[in-house]
Amino acid sequence: DAGVIQSPRHEVTEMGQEVTLRCKPISGHNSLFWYRQTMMRGLELLIYFNNNVPIDDSGMPEDRFSAKMPNASFSTLKIQPSEPRDSAVYFCASSPGTGTSYGYTFGSGTRLTVV
Amino acid sequence: AQKITQTQPGMFVQEKEAVTLDCTYDTSDPSYGLFWYKQPSSGEMIFLIYQGSYDQQNATEGRYSLNFQKARKSANLVISASQLGDSAMYFCAMREWETSYDKVIFGPGTSLSVIP
Repeated sequence: DAGVIQSPRHEVTEMGQEVTLRCKPISGHNSLFWYRQTMMRGLELLIYFNNNVPIDDSGMPEDRFSAKMPNASFSTLKIQPSEPRDSAVYFCASSPGTGTSYGYTFGSGTRLTVV
Repeated sequence: AQKITQTQPGMFVQEKEAVTLDCTYDTSDPSYGLFWYKQPSSGEMIFLIYQGSYDQQNATEGRYSLNFQKARKSANLVISASQLGDSAMYFCAMREWETSYDKVIFGPGTSLSVIP
C-alpha cells in the first residue's frame, strides 16, 4: 500500500501565478479531504469528496480556490491567482468510508510558499 | 464555537516517564469518533489511536492509551514510557455525523518535548 501520495512536496511560486496541488488517495478509499495547515489557524478542512462528488466545500476560503476529483484515484486543488497569504502546508487525506469509525490517512503534504 | 480544546500548548516530559495530553470536545451528536494524530517535525500526520462514542472500554495501541470520559467529554491521550522519538505535535480530532455527511475537526494541538 503506497499510502496517500501528494505532489509536489514543495512549491514556491510568485504572487499571481496559478498553483495546482495533486493527490492520489489510497485505492479503495472513497472519501477524500483537503486540509490546510498554518500556524495561525491550525488544520482547516477545505473540501471533502465522497465517491468523487464534492460534498462540503464550505471551508474553501474564496473563489480563487477550486478542487476537482475527476476519478477515484486523483484529485487536484488549484489556486488562481495565488497570494502570499495562501502560503501553508496543504494536506490531502483519504478514508475508506463515511462513518465515525474511519480515521483518515494523510499524505505527506505540500508546502506552498507564495512570494 | 471551538469543538476540540487542547489546553496545553506545550508539554515537557522526562524520558521513560508517562505523560497525559488533554483533550475536551463538544458535540450533541450521540455517534462520534475521537482520534489522536502525531505530527513530528518532518511534517507528516500519523494516526495513533481511535475511540468510538459507544465503545465501552478505553482504546489502547501499544504505548498509547485513550482515557475516555464520555460524561465529561474528555479524551485524553496517555503515552507510557516516553521516548525521544515521541517529541512532536499531537492533535486530538473528532469525527461526527452531521446530516448527510461527516467531517473530522482537529484541535489546536499540543507540542510535546521529551527530555533525555
